[in-house]
Amino acid sequence: QQPVQSPQAVILREGEDAVINCSSSKALYSVHWYRQKHGEAPVFLMILLKGGEQKGHEKISASFNEKKQQSSLYLTASQLSYSGTYFCGTEFGKTSYDKVIFGPGTSLSVIP
Amino acid sequence: ETGVTQSPTHLIKTRGQQVTLRCSSQSGHNTVSWYQQALGQGPQFIFQYYREEENGRGNFPPRFSGLQFPNYSSELNVNALELDDSALYLCASSLFSKGDWNTGELFFGEGSRLTVL
Repeated sequence: QQPVQSPQAVILREGEDAVINCSSSKALYSVHWYRQKHGEAPVFLMILLKGGEQKGHEKISASFNEKKQQSSLYLTASQLSYSGTYFCGTEFGKTSYDKVIFGPGTSLSVIP
Repeated sequence: ETGVTQSPTHLIKTRGQQVTLRCSSQSGHNTVSWYQQALGQGPQFIFQYYREEENGRGNFPPRFSGLQFPNYSSELNVNALELDDSALYLCASSLFSKGDWNTGELFFGEGSRLTVL
């Protein structure tokens, strides 16, 4: 039931855009996005609840397609500080005993 | 408001030993989730405690057990340690809304790095 993330890794130059995808084989109730820098704890970016909403956080936004059981994280005009590993976390709601289940991560490197 | 704190930060044990990891949740949070993160992997869900009761469990054997105290702090206990238990153990606190069945934003501690020799 672990979500699938793509791509596994991406290298960007400063100012470029990136999209990270997260998909599940099971119906989703919510999707979380976190960023983890090397040697640090994961840090919350945003949470999307079912309903197909889109959220934004400065130059980072995300969408959630409930019907397709997918979420995408959009990073625009990337900055060096965006480097890290991005994890999506999925939650299936009251029908499941599972809580926030994380994907394997997408490594993002932003170079000058 | 204080953040999530974990102790110890690093520890080394040998196979067969037992370990207890501790976590103080963020002020105002009622839920603690524990994760195991192996090098280069995503955090793997161990279990979640909500108001002192286990509220969800991942695919971990019974030798992984936990507690949550009235002040919402928590312990993770691992018995009969195996080499594969070597990992970073992350604690995350949140404000769980049972009516919405939404764990809410997870606030992670810095983790306890366990090495089993």
